[in-house]
Amino acid sequence: AQSVTQLGSHVSVSEGALVLLRCNYSSSVPPYLFWYVQYPNQGLQLLLKYTSAATLVKGINGFEAEFKKSETSFHLTKPSAHMSDAAEYFCAVSRNSGNTPLVFGKGTRLSVIA
Amino acid sequence: DADVTQTPRNRITKTGKRIMLECSQTKGHDRMYWYRQDPGLGLRLIYYSFDVKDINKGEISDGYSVSRQAQAKFSLSLESAIPNQTALYFCATSDPQAGGYEQYFGPGTRLTVT
Repeated sequence: AQSVTQLGSHVSVSEGALVLLRCNYSSSVPPYLFWYVQYPNQGLQLLLKYTSAATLVKGINGFEAEFKKSETSFHLTKPSAHMSDAAEYFCAVSRNSGNTPLVFGKGTRLSVIA
Repeated sequence: DADVTQTPRNRITKTGKRIMLECSQTKGHDRMYWYRQDPGLGLRLIYYSFDVKDINKGEISDGYSVSRQAQAKFSLSLESAIPNQTALYFCATSDPQAGGYEQYFGPGTRLTVT
């Protein structure tokens, strides 16, 4: 069965610094991968997705992620953190060409320090 | 208006009470899902439905039941609520035929069982 591991339940960065949120997946078939963001008291919003096209995926708000099959990773990055990026971020995987429900990681809370 | 709505947004109930959480969507998607979110555990799948006649258990279905009244409506019931069902509950939809595979989330229902 597929699974997702997010390294670090809490990451803290300074405003303007690089954001790196780690996600490793386990899947017996080529996966579809997603990053979602949850702002306080809100639902989940899709940041970006990988569905077997380009391995470097660009999303909203300046975020991007790179699919690395050899490392089974899909890490999320942003060159320069902004205060408004403070939120919880979830990595998710779906196997079987997307024909199954998403399996979510436990989430990483990002804090941005002024 | 939001594409995926959930009612109520907040609910406090007592142990042993039956409670229903409702989800409606205007996206025209066939697939609907119920998740619960607990701090540090991410989102866990309770039930999902690929169409009106298809209902499937997720990883944590014990103590819950669902009803798919129409393509647009998917309700979650707690037959006899217990305190460890206190959580944030999310409904989601998807439409793989559109090629996206991502899920779209409602704003959530915060349930407290005392």
